[in-house]
Amino acid sequence: NAGVTQTPKFQVLKTGQSMTLQCAQDMNHEYMSWYRQDPGMGLRLIHYSVGAGITDQGEVPNGYNVSRSTTEDFPLRLLSAAPSQTSVYFCATQDSYEQYFGPGTRLTVT
Amino acid sequence: KQEVTQIPAALSVPEGENLVLNCSFTDSAIYNLQWFRQDPGKGLTSLLLIQSSQREQTSGRLNASLDKSSGRSTLYIAASQPGDSATYLCAVAGTYKYIFGTGTRLKVLA
Repeated sequence: NAGVTQTPKFQVLKTGQSMTLQCAQDMNHEYMSWYRQDPGMGLRLIHYSVGAGITDQGEVPNGYNVSRSTTEDFPLRLLSAAPSQTSVYFCATQDSYEQYFGPGTRLTVT
Repeated sequence: KQEVTQIPAALSVPEGENLVLNCSFTDSAIYNLQWFRQDPGKGLTSLLLIQSSQREQTSGRLNASLDKSSGRSTLYIAASQPGDSATYLCAVAGTYKYIFGTGTRLKVLA
């Protein structure tokens, strides 16, 4: 039972490049979400999904796309990376009450 | 718009001391409140979850209370140890969305 897994752990991109951060879970939770964590700003919600085929925006969605084709996977896409997207990205799932977080992806955009 | 504040931002105490971390929120219409621990460079580990109908939860040396009417939660750590050194985050849940505080960075001195 791996819980929530994220790949890659570290990534360096150049401005304008695209990439996908992967998130997978084996807990069969319907709810999944993506956060970014920046120094002094806590965690901010980017996008979330309440089930396969259903996604919605969080607090800071601009520059990010998501889709949810299966219960298990919730990838986060950066279409054209910008230095302002340098951050640590966390994926989380939720059962009826509690959130469970992945280990994070540290992204640097130069 | 829900806002979550954690005071103090940083705290340094000698080993063995009992301590209280504070979390305040502006909208009392919450679903639940969750306390997390985050070690440097790591993900979030759930410590305690308090549902909106509950007043407190306990786990070992940790006790969390919730007062929705005043918009406050406290995390009490008894007999602190150097291994408790970490950043402690509180998160308030509305419908499908968690709002995080910026955390309290705790250092317990041996």
